[in-house]
Amino acid sequence: RKEVEQDPGPFNVPEGATVAFNCTYSNSASQSFFWYRQDCRKEPKLLMSVYSSGNEDGRFTAQLNRASQYISLLIRDSKLSDSATYLCAVKYYGQNFVFGPGTRLSVLP
Amino acid sequence: NAGVTQTPKFRVLKTGQSMTLLCAQDMNHEYMYWYRQDPGMGLRLIHYSVGEGTTAKGEVPDGYNVSRLKKQNFLLGLESAAPSQTSVYFCASSDQRTSDSYEQYFGPGTRLTVT
Repeated sequence: RKEVEQDPGPFNVPEGATVAFNCTYSNSASQSFFWYRQDCRKEPKLLMSVYSSGNEDGRFTAQLNRASQYISLLIRDSKLSDSATYLCAVKYYGQNFVFGPGTRLSVLP
Repeated sequence: NAGVTQTPKFRVLKTGQSMTLLCAQDMNHEYMYWYRQDPGMGLRLIHYSVGEGTTAKGEVPDGYNVSRLKKQNFLLGLESAAPSQTSVYFCASSDQRTSDSYEQYFGPGTRLTVT
């Protein structure tokens, strides 16, 4: 079993839709959690860190459930520009980061 | 302010050849990382460094060596390239923003093909 797993996707949604991605992790010693966005053939860029109490940034909401060991990302009112691959990342001890394989989102006009 | 830069952008190697990938950051970050990204596998950590003169193994270190002689540079070496090392290599740097927030800044990547 992979340490960090994500919904396999791809997700194809119409503009304006709400879409949610899930990510599960297997190591209970995980310390910090992140969502990254990666455009095709580009480098990943941090979308948001995920805090225990949940956090929101505009149309994006991230949740963490330590008991069930998963994090989620909700995108409301999807835009064409949201089309990308979304990677979740988990930090363990030291500077050990483990990324999930990514979920591809296509927002259709 | 260039952020994180990587050289070269593309490279084709024959099996058994060696090469060094260079990563440079101008943000005075303490931490630097090398990842490889393969289809369906996501990013996998090869080696990382928590400061000048230090290095540590990540998830997939075999076949690679690294050095961090200067704070701003992190070098990744392949001593004897193998086709299994065909991948996109990303360098990243970060610093601690809060106790649980580390934003990693990634370079544009190096596409390496080993034939």
